[in-house]
Amino acid sequence: QKEVEQDPGPLSVPEGAIVSLNCTYSNSAFQYFMWYRQYSRKGPELLMYTYSSGNKEDGRFTAQVDKSSKYISLFIRDSQPSDSATYLCAHRPGGGNKLTFGTGTQLKVEL
Amino acid sequence: NAGVTQTPKFQVLKTGQSMTLQCAQDMNHNSMYWYRQDPGMGLRLIYYSASEGTTDKGEVPNGYNVSRLNKREFSLRLESAAPSQTSVYFCASRGRQGVGQPQHFGDGTRLSIL
Repeated sequence: QKEVEQDPGPLSVPEGAIVSLNCTYSNSAFQYFMWYRQYSRKGPELLMYTYSSGNKEDGRFTAQVDKSSKYISLFIRDSQPSDSATYLCAHRPGGGNKLTFGTGTQLKVEL
Repeated sequence: NAGVTQTPKFQVLKTGQSMTLQCAQDMNHNSMYWYRQDPGMGLRLIYYSASEGTTDKGEVPNGYNVSRLNKREFSLRLESAAPSQTSVYFCASRGRQGVGQPQHFGDGTRLSIL
């Protein structure tokens, strides 16, 4: 079983829709979770990170961790065509220096 | 601001040829990483360097070697390229320890091995 599993998509939504992107993880000891955004032919860039459980909000983006179900989510409100990208979830073990990534979900927001 | 710079951006090799992928960062970061990204597989860590003078294997190190030349530069070498090494290679760096410290990525090297 992979440490982090992610729906591959692709996911296509109309502009203005609320988008939900999800990952599951296998190890209940995982604490630090990140969401990276990757535009076509570019490197990933950090979008948000969360520690342990709960929600974190940044503008139109909300990251959520549910430790009881080992589920992490990224919500995008009022989605825009500029949000079209691949979204990668990742985790870092506590105190560790390495990241383990999910496979990524490709999102397309259409006009 | 340059950030993480990778060269070359594209390369085509024949099976058995050797090649070095170059990576340099100008953010004075201690840690540097090499990943490969393949469809359906996500980003997989090949090697990383926690600090100048140290390197460690990641998830998929076979067929690769690395050199941390100095604090700025971290190169990845394919000694005898194989078609299975066709991929997009990303270099990343990370600064001081801390939960919120992200890895900063370059824009990748697209490598095809025929």
